[in-house]
Amino acid sequence: QLQLHESGPGLVKPSETLSLTCTVSGDSISRSKYYWGWIRQPPGKGLEWIGTIFYSGGTYYSQSLKSRVTLSVEQAKNEISLKLNSVTAADTAVYFCARLGDPNGNYFDSWGQGTLVAVSS
Amino acid sequence: SSELTQPPSVSVSPGQTATITCSADVLAKQYSYWYQQKAGQAPILVMFKDNERPSGIPDRISGSSSGTTATLTIRGVQAEDEADYYCQSSGNGIVVFGGGTKLTVL
Repeated sequence: QLQLHESGPGLVKPSETLSLTCTVSGDSISRSKYYWGWIRQPPGKGLEWIGTIFYSGGTYYSQSLKSRVTLSVEQAKNEISLKLNSVTAADTAVYFCARLGDPNGNYFDSWGQGTLVAVSS
Repeated sequence: SSELTQPPSVSVSPGQTATITCSADVLAKQYSYWYQQKAGQAPILVMFKDNERPSGIPDRISGSSSGTTATLTIRGVQAEDEADYYCQSSGNGIVVFGGGTKLTVL
């Protein structure tokens, strides 16, 4: 059974870089050839797509975050990583990783539980 | 992709039918997808490609799309259906979510 688990610091200072890892278990990123994505949800607000990465490394990013976001794949560790630099309080959110469930990467069929990241000094 | 517009809230009594809409010009040429998110939980996919249900989703939940509006319908609403519902679409690798609709079961 596929499981995704997000991990990383729960508190990041303003202007610093937020770094999160999504560990995938129950499937191999390199063998399954799926797209993987990150989504965030500020407290009390809706879902916001951050970006998507193919198992081989190709990426798509939200236009609003593109200048600050980097996604990467570590196939040997079966992990997906997110880096968001120059964070502000507006980046405080629950961050989810998810698998995209079709060959074209159109929708998210499996989600991690999410991890809350607060941006504060 | 462009913004997807959803009503902020929908309220229904148990046993009634809830209808949640999602509107955007892009829906005329792209599929819609729907997620259910209960308080404190991750979203789960309840509908894909406008009207296909993932395994495990009850058949009282259905989806449709016509023109620029996609619709999620929940018949025989139960207390357990109370949640936030999000529509989503994608095109050329770009994903967009609707603002979400809070379904309240009275």
